[in-house]
Amino acid sequence: GDSVTQMEGPVTLSEEAFLTINCTYTATGYPSLFWYVQYPGEGLQLLLKATKADDKGSNKGFEATYRKETTSFHLEKGSVQVSDSAVYFCALSLLNDYKLSFGAGTTVTVRA
Amino acid sequence: DVKVTQSSRYLVKRTGEKVFLECVQDMDHENMFWYRQDPGLGLRLIYFSYDVKMKEKGDIPEGYSVSREKKERFSLILESASTNQTSMYLCASSSRGSQFFGPGTRLTVL
Repeated sequence: GDSVTQMEGPVTLSEEAFLTINCTYTATGYPSLFWYVQYPGEGLQLLLKATKADDKGSNKGFEATYRKETTSFHLEKGSVQVSDSAVYFCALSLLNDYKLSFGAGTTVTVRA
Repeated sequence: DVKVTQSSRYLVKRTGEKVFLECVQDMDHENMFWYRQDPGLGLRLIYFSYDVKMKEKGDIPEGYSVSREKKERFSLILESASTNQTSMYLCASSSRGSQFFGPGTRLTVL
């Protein structure tokens, strides 16, 4: 079946460090790929998405590129802030408006 | 902005009780979803609905049912709550492929 595997956490970084969270997927078709972020005590928010190969999604300094050849959608940010501390989820969807398959989530803590 | 609201942030129930979790969205979205979130397991889909009175089972529907009588409201029902249903429950609605989530209900079943 369709699934997403993302790197296990927790990840602890210092402010201004470079962040990478790996995400790979298995899908029978051509999925859309998403990164969601969950700040403490809140629901999930869409961070960025890409709908076809080689698309780059970006938002709030985060970027991820849809790599069909490696079935990956790694999340990166060049200089993290304390406010980026959250849980990050990679997800895929095969059909617009239908279900998302989520990875297990990666907890990121940024220290001042 | 899309707003998805859930009836309670925290809920404590006893084993065997019938539990209703309510979700309302204000953006006229056709699709709505219920997930549960558990540490190390990410989000797992319980049920979803693509239209009023329509529903489909997700990955873990056992022990749950849903109701969608109006487009904006999607209810999750635990017919007889059990301790293994202690979890965070998240509701979402969607349009054009992106899902929008409510703040979640943390349910504890004693």
